[in-house]
Amino acid sequence: GESVGLHLPTLSVQEGDNSIINCAYSNSASDYFIWYKQESGKGPQFIIDIRSNMDKRQGQRVTVLLNKTVKHLSLQIAATQPGDSAVYFCAGIPTGTASKLTFGTGTRLQVTL
Amino acid sequence: DVKVTQSSRYLVKRTGEKVFLECVQDMDHENMFWYRQDPGLGLRLIYFSYDVKMKEKGDIPEGYSVSREKKERFSLILESASTNQTSMYLCASSGGEWGNEQFFGPGTRLTVL
Repeated sequence: GESVGLHLPTLSVQEGDNSIINCAYSNSASDYFIWYKQESGKGPQFIIDIRSNMDKRQGQRVTVLLNKTVKHLSLQIAATQPGDSAVYFCAGIPTGTASKLTFGTGTRLQVTL
Repeated sequence: DVKVTQSSRYLVKRTGEKVFLECVQDMDHENMFWYRQDPGLGLRLIYFSYDVKMKEKGDIPEGYSVSREKKERFSLILESASTNQTSMYLCASSGGEWGNEQFFGPGTRLTVL
């Protein structure tokens, strides 16, 4: 089955710097990946997604990179702000499982002033 | 603004009680999901539903059941609550452009004494 995990439980970044949060997955037959942000006391919120036929996708201040060769996914946040402090999850959908997502354990991003 | 609501933010129940957690979405989504979230384990899928009256087991269905009588409502039932079911419960729905982005509710923190 699919296994999705994150490299670091906690990442500390200075305000204004760029953040890079990494994620690895085990199933090479995964169709689709999503990054979610979860602030304290709230449910996860969608940030950005990427299909397996893409290498890169950009949003507002965020970029997701997908390296299928090494089964690695990363979320880059430009000019990190205090409001970016949260837990970030990657999630993937293995081919043939429709909308069923498998989540990683999350990385807590701490933004220092 | 899209919305997934859950009936309670905090709930305290006793061992052996029957517990109902309700989730309602206003986006006319086909798919609905129930997860539990525990420290260090991330989000784990309990049950999901692709359509009214349809349900599928997720990764950890033991001790839970679900009901989907109407498209907008998905209920999670703990027939006889146990202390190891103390957790944060998150409901989600999906049906967007790629059919996969899941929108989450705020969560219900359930404590079983």
